[in-house]
Amino acid sequence: DTGVSQNPRHKITKRGQNVTFRCDPISEHNRLYWYRQTLGQGPEFLTYFQNEAQLEKSRLLSDRFSAERPKGSFSTLEIQRTEQGDSAMYLCASSLDPGMTQYFGPGTRLLVL
Amino acid sequence: GQQVMQIPQYQHVQEGEDFTTYCNSSTTLSNIQWYKQRPGGHPVFLIQLVKSGEVKKQKRLTFQFGEAKKNSSLHITATQTTDVGTYFCAGPWNTDKLIFGTGTRLQVFP
Repeated sequence: DTGVSQNPRHKITKRGQNVTFRCDPISEHNRLYWYRQTLGQGPEFLTYFQNEAQLEKSRLLSDRFSAERPKGSFSTLEIQRTEQGDSAMYLCASSLDPGMTQYFGPGTRLLVL
Repeated sequence: GQQVMQIPQYQHVQEGEDFTTYCNSSTTLSNIQWYKQRPGGHPVFLIQLVKSGEVKKQKRLTFQFGEAKKNSSLHITATQTTDVGTYFCAGPWNTDKLIFGTGTRLQVFP
Protein backbone atom coordinates (compact mmCIF):
# COMPACT_ATOMS: atom_id res chain seq x y z
CA ASP A 1 0.00 0.00 0.00
CA THR A 2 1.57 3.31 -1.06
CA GLY A 3 -0.91 5.58 0.71
CA VAL A 4 -0.24 7.94 3.60
CA SER A 5 0.53 6.08 6.80
CA GLN A 6 0.42 7.33 10.37
CA ASN A 7 1.68 5.87 13.62
CA PRO A 8 0.49 5.19 16.17
CA ARG A 9 -3.16 4.83 15.26
CA HIS A 10 -4.25 5.35 18.84
CA LYS A 11 -2.57 6.99 21.81
CA ILE A 12 -3.81 7.31 25.37
CA THR A 13 -1.74 9.50 27.65
CA LYS A 14 -1.99 11.29 30.93
CA ARG A 15 -2.23 15.04 31.14
CA GLY A 16 1.21 16.62 31.23
CA GLN A 17 2.94 13.90 29.23
CA ASN A 18 4.61 14.48 25.86
CA VAL A 19 3.49 12.58 22.76
CA THR A 20 4.92 12.27 19.27
CA PHE A 21 3.13 11.17 16.12
CA ARG A 22 4.66 10.14 12.83
CA CYS A 23 3.39 10.56 9.29
CA ASP A 24 4.81 8.91 6.18
CA PRO A 25 3.44 10.63 3.08
CA ILE A 26 2.99 9.15 -0.34
CA SER A 27 6.40 8.75 -1.91
CA GLU A 28 7.55 11.80 -3.91
CA HIS A 29 4.81 14.02 -2.52
CA ASN A 30 6.40 17.37 -1.78
CA ARG A 31 3.62 18.83 0.37
CA LEU A 32 2.71 17.44 3.77
CA TYR A 33 -0.10 18.79 5.92
CA TRP A 34 -1.24 18.27 9.48
CA TYR A 35 -4.87 18.72 10.48
CA ARG A 36 -6.77 18.18 13.71
CA GLN A 37 -10.33 16.90 13.87
CA THR A 38 -12.55 16.85 16.93
CA LEU A 39 -15.78 14.90 17.17
CA GLY A 40 -18.50 16.19 14.89
CA GLN A 41 -16.28 18.78 13.23
CA GLY A 42 -14.39 19.00 9.99
CA PRO A 43 -10.59 18.82 9.95
CA GLU A 44 -8.81 22.04 10.94
CA PHE A 45 -5.50 23.02 9.41
CA LEU A 46 -2.49 23.02 11.75
CA THR A 47 0.65 23.33 9.63
CA TYR A 48 2.22 22.30 6.36
CA PHE A 49 5.58 21.60 4.76
CA GLN A 50 7.01 22.01 1.31
CA ASN A 51 9.75 19.39 1.35
CA GLU A 52 11.59 20.04 4.63
CA ALA A 53 10.50 23.66 5.01
CA GLN A 54 7.62 24.45 7.34
CA LEU A 55 5.74 27.16 5.47
CA GLU A 56 2.79 27.99 7.67
CA LYS A 57 1.49 27.37 11.16
CA SER A 58 -2.07 27.92 12.28
CA ARG A 59 -2.87 30.00 15.34
CA LEU A 60 -4.36 26.75 16.66
CA LEU A 61 -0.80 25.48 17.03
CA SER A 62 0.29 26.64 20.47
CA ASP A 63 3.90 26.71 21.63
CA ARG A 64 3.41 23.20 23.01
CA PHE A 65 3.11 21.87 19.47
CA SER A 66 6.06 21.37 17.16
CA ALA A 67 6.30 19.68 13.80
CA GLU A 68 9.30 18.65 11.75
CA ARG A 69 10.04 17.12 8.40
CA PRO A 70 13.80 16.80 8.62
CA LYS A 71 14.61 15.12 5.32
CA GLY A 72 11.58 16.14 3.37
CA SER A 73 10.02 12.70 3.67
CA PHE A 74 8.31 11.63 6.92
CA SER A 75 7.09 14.17 9.46
CA THR A 76 6.62 14.17 13.21
CA LEU A 77 4.19 16.15 15.31
CA GLU A 78 5.04 16.52 18.98
CA ILE A 79 2.77 17.80 21.71
CA GLN A 80 4.42 18.73 24.96
CA ARG A 81 2.65 18.87 28.33
CA THR A 82 -0.56 17.49 26.87
CA GLU A 83 -3.89 18.88 28.03
CA GLN A 84 -7.33 17.29 27.90
CA GLY A 85 -8.28 19.76 25.19
CA ASP A 86 -5.65 18.19 22.94
CA SER A 87 -7.78 15.05 22.64
CA ALA A 88 -8.62 14.75 18.96
CA MET A 89 -7.84 12.91 15.75
CA TYR A 90 -4.59 14.16 14.20
CA LEU A 91 -4.64 13.74 10.45
CA CYS A 92 -1.76 13.93 8.02
CA ALA A 93 -2.21 14.53 4.31
CA SER A 94 0.15 14.84 1.39
CA SER A 95 -0.01 16.17 -2.11
CA LEU A 96 2.33 16.04 -5.07
CA ASP A 97 2.44 19.78 -5.57
CA PRO A 98 0.67 22.91 -4.34
CA GLY A 99 -3.02 23.00 -5.19
CA MET A 100 -3.20 19.32 -6.04
CA THR A 101 -5.36 16.72 -4.36
CA GLN A 102 -4.54 16.06 -0.73
CA TYR A 103 -4.60 12.42 0.32
CA PHE A 104 -5.24 11.73 3.97
CA GLY A 105 -3.75 9.12 6.24
CA PRO A 106 -5.81 7.07 8.70
CA GLY A 107 -5.06 9.49 11.53
CA THR A 108 -3.81 9.17 15.09
CA ARG A 109 -6.53 9.32 17.69
CA LEU A 110 -5.25 10.95 20.87
CA LEU A 111 -6.99 10.71 24.23
CA VAL A 112 -5.58 12.74 27.10
CA LEU A 113 -6.80 11.61 30.51
CA GLY B 1 -11.24 34.60 7.74
CA GLN B 2 -12.83 32.26 5.29
CA GLN B 3 -15.82 30.22 6.42
CA VAL B 4 -17.37 27.24 4.71
CA MET B 5 -20.82 26.18 5.81
CA GLN B 6 -22.77 23.10 4.84
CA ILE B 7 -26.43 22.26 5.16
CA PRO B 8 -28.05 20.20 6.35
CA GLN B 9 -25.98 19.11 9.33
CA TYR B 10 -27.68 15.70 9.40
CA GLN B 11 -29.83 13.82 6.92
CA HIS B 12 -31.58 10.53 7.49
CA VAL B 13 -33.01 8.87 4.40
CA GLN B 14 -34.61 5.59 3.46
CA GLU B 15 -32.50 3.49 1.13
CA GLY B 16 -33.38 4.41 -2.42
CA GLU B 17 -34.20 8.04 -1.65
CA ASP B 18 -32.10 10.88 -2.99
CA PHE B 19 -29.80 13.07 -0.91
CA THR B 20 -28.31 16.52 -1.41
CA THR B 21 -25.83 18.53 0.63
CA TYR B 22 -25.06 22.18 -0.02
CA CYS B 23 -21.81 23.99 0.59
CA ASN B 24 -21.39 27.78 0.84
CA SER B 25 -18.16 29.71 1.14
CA SER B 26 -17.81 33.26 2.42
CA THR B 27 -15.22 33.93 -0.29
CA THR B 28 -14.70 32.97 -3.91
CA LEU B 29 -12.81 29.71 -4.26
CA SER B 30 -10.25 28.70 -6.87
CA ASN B 31 -11.59 25.18 -6.61
CA ILE B 32 -13.82 23.07 -4.37
CA GLN B 33 -13.06 19.55 -3.21
CA TRP B 34 -15.37 16.93 -1.75
CA TYR B 35 -14.41 14.28 0.77
CA LYS B 36 -16.28 11.39 2.34
CA GLN B 37 -15.52 10.20 5.84
CA ARG B 38 -16.97 6.92 7.04
CA PRO B 39 -17.66 6.54 10.79
CA GLY B 40 -14.31 5.97 12.48
CA GLY B 41 -12.44 6.59 9.24
CA HIS B 42 -10.49 9.37 7.61
CA PRO B 43 -11.47 11.79 4.83
CA VAL B 44 -11.30 10.16 1.41
CA PHE B 45 -11.05 12.40 -1.64
CA LEU B 46 -14.02 12.19 -3.99
CA ILE B 47 -13.62 14.94 -6.55
CA GLN B 48 -12.31 18.42 -7.34
CA LEU B 49 -14.24 21.07 -9.28
CA VAL B 50 -12.38 24.00 -10.79
CA LYS B 51 -14.49 25.78 -13.39
CA SER B 52 -17.41 28.09 -12.76
CA GLY B 53 -20.67 26.18 -13.27
CA GLU B 54 -18.86 22.85 -13.59
CA VAL B 55 -20.85 19.66 -13.18
CA LYS B 56 -19.21 16.27 -12.69
CA LYS B 57 -20.75 12.85 -12.21
CA GLN B 58 -19.44 9.73 -10.53
CA LYS B 59 -21.99 6.96 -10.92
CA ARG B 60 -24.85 8.00 -8.60
CA LEU B 61 -23.05 11.14 -7.35
CA THR B 62 -23.42 14.50 -9.07
CA PHE B 63 -21.26 17.44 -8.07
CA GLN B 64 -21.86 21.07 -9.04
CA PHE B 65 -19.76 24.21 -8.65
CA GLY B 66 -21.67 27.46 -8.63
CA GLU B 67 -21.31 30.17 -11.24
CA ALA B 68 -19.83 32.57 -8.67
CA LYS B 69 -17.50 29.83 -7.38
CA LYS B 70 -18.77 30.37 -3.84
CA ASN B 71 -21.11 27.42 -3.54
CA SER B 72 -21.30 23.78 -4.45
CA SER B 73 -23.58 20.81 -4.07
CA LEU B 74 -23.37 17.05 -3.94
CA HIS B 75 -26.39 15.03 -4.97
CA ILE B 76 -26.68 11.28 -4.50
CA THR B 77 -29.36 9.46 -6.46
CA ALA B 78 -30.99 6.36 -4.99
CA THR B 79 -28.92 6.15 -1.82
CA GLN B 80 -27.50 2.86 -0.63
CA THR B 81 -26.34 1.83 2.83
CA THR B 82 -22.76 2.10 1.59
CA ASP B 83 -23.28 5.86 1.20
CA VAL B 84 -23.39 6.29 4.98
CA GLY B 85 -20.82 8.76 6.27
CA THR B 86 -20.07 12.44 6.58
CA TYR B 87 -19.56 14.46 3.42
CA PHE B 88 -17.27 17.45 3.60
CA CYS B 89 -16.61 20.14 1.07
CA ALA B 90 -13.27 21.93 1.31
CA GLY B 91 -11.71 24.90 -0.39
CA PRO B 92 -8.14 26.14 -0.54
CA TRP B 93 -7.57 29.40 1.25
CA ASN B 94 -4.71 31.86 1.16
CA THR B 95 -2.15 29.25 0.21
CA ASP B 96 -3.45 25.80 -0.51
CA LYS B 97 -4.33 24.66 2.99
CA LEU B 98 -7.85 23.33 2.97
CA ILE B 99 -10.69 24.94 4.87
CA PHE B 100 -13.27 22.26 5.47
CA GLY B 101 -16.97 22.76 5.64
CA THR B 102 -19.00 21.81 8.66
CA GLY B 103 -19.98 18.51 7.05
CA THR B 104 -23.26 16.72 6.43
CA ARG B 105 -23.75 13.40 8.14
CA LEU B 106 -25.80 10.98 6.07
CA GLN B 107 -27.58 8.02 7.60
CA VAL B 108 -29.31 5.55 5.29
CA PHE B 109 -31.92 3.18 6.66
CA PRO B 110 -32.44 -0.12 4.79
